[in-house]
Amino acid sequence: DAGVIQSPRHEVTEMGQEVTLRCKPISGHDYLFWYRQTMMRGLELLIYFNNNVPIDDSGMPEDRFSAKMPNASFSTLKIQPSEPRDSAVYFCASSFGLASSTDTQYFGPGTRLTVL
Amino acid sequence: AQTVTQSQPEMSVQEAETVTLSCTYDTSESNYYLFWYKQPPSRQMILVIRQEAYKQQNATENRFSVNFQKAAKSFSLKISDSQLGDTAMYFCAFMKREMNRDDKIIFGKGTRLHILP
Repeated sequence: DAGVIQSPRHEVTEMGQEVTLRCKPISGHDYLFWYRQTMMRGLELLIYFNNNVPIDDSGMPEDRFSAKMPNASFSTLKIQPSEPRDSAVYFCASSFGLASSTDTQYFGPGTRLTVL
Repeated sequence: AQTVTQSQPEMSVQEAETVTLSCTYDTSESNYYLFWYKQPPSRQMILVIRQEAYKQQNATENRFSVNFQKAAKSFSLKISDSQLGDTAMYFCAFMKREMNRDDKIIFGKGTRLHILP
């Protein structure tokens, strides 16, 4: 398995532009997570899905952020309009479940977003 | 490329006992940070402790301490007087101190810790 795939790996954009980050989870995983990593705040959970349905989006910072999972193999995180303070590394992760010992989260390589 | 290895997928200890979670890493860098994150059922990632590689003194945060062995590339987490609230998944992570556009934090696969009453 190729693991969790994220694209793009790097994104540089200007303030006000729309940014779309993409994630392909590991096949068969029912849970998908989006995290944001910054030096100041460390790693923050933004939202997670179970069977394509958003379960907890309390970590989404504001209305400029939205996430979708149209099918089991694809999710997007969109920022519109983007702001410089959104600059961070965004990780996607997936897992089989939440509760058992086999429910390790597998992290993707991350997308480094820079908003100028 | 850097790698982080956590060799214990799951551990269980009795409340009030001390438990040590192991982590080893591989890097050619000399300046870097190491982290332990705790992930409770809420799935939020909580930074437990951070170690800067150039500091020889082991970091401590209340009941949490690390045994940092730079030459051995080992970074274990010790939890003293374990509490039921310590039950969680624990991730070890590595980050270069000087980040360029290709760098990011590298996570281990995690250790699921159960504190038993």
